[in-house]
Amino acid sequence: ELKVEQNPLFLSMQEGKNYTIYCNYSTTSDRLYWYRQDPGKSLESLFVLLSNGAVKQEGRLMASLDTKARLSTLHITAAVHDLSATYFCAVDFSSMDSNYQLIWGAGTKLIIKP
Amino acid sequence: DTEVTQTPKHLVMGMTNKKSLKCEQHMGHRAMYWYKQKAKKPPELMFVYSYEKLSINESVPSRFSPECPNSSLLNLHLHALQPEDSALYLCASSQDLDSYNEQFFGPGTRLTVL
Repeated sequence: ELKVEQNPLFLSMQEGKNYTIYCNYSTTSDRLYWYRQDPGKSLESLFVLLSNGAVKQEGRLMASLDTKARLSTLHITAAVHDLSATYFCAVDFSSMDSNYQLIWGAGTKLIIKP
Repeated sequence: DTEVTQTPKHLVMGMTNKKSLKCEQHMGHRAMYWYKQKAKKPPELMFVYSYEKLSINESVPSRFSPECPNSSLLNLHLHALQPEDSALYLCASSQDLDSYNEQFFGPGTRLTVL
């Protein structure tokens, strides 16, 4: 069964602290995406990770991909309130008889307190 | 233009009404998607169009009817919906289904069925 598991599902943290969100997946894939969603809004693409060992950074967020471990991490450095949102990871999957589809994690709701 | 647009932003309809949701992109993408998202859940794939042909239908009830008039437009026709169909409906597009699948999302239509 195709599964993408995120943890934690909920995270409340203080400004200035560091933390990591984990995304494990059950199928072979070397393509993983991180999205951000603010309450009541759409999904914004944050990172596209396309190979083993890929690391991308944007501001206080850094994402990495380990395809051997089937694990991606989203690291938050010195969190600020503006990063409060729900973060989703999604994994590209294709089989012999289908094109690529995204399999989504459940999302991590991140609240950053001043 | 790197945007996906959707209209309307909000829609309230009765169970006997017929309405349509519209989506447009001008990025030259050849794959377009409809997703349904309930509160605090990841998006659920409904339909995928590839080169204007329906490629994936995730067993969606027939009260939802997609249409792709051309490569830039995607519609979702709604008829005889149920209150449980109330959700955020998101349109997305990507380059195609044969390569990596970064999807760009529109702002969504918030649908309420009374």
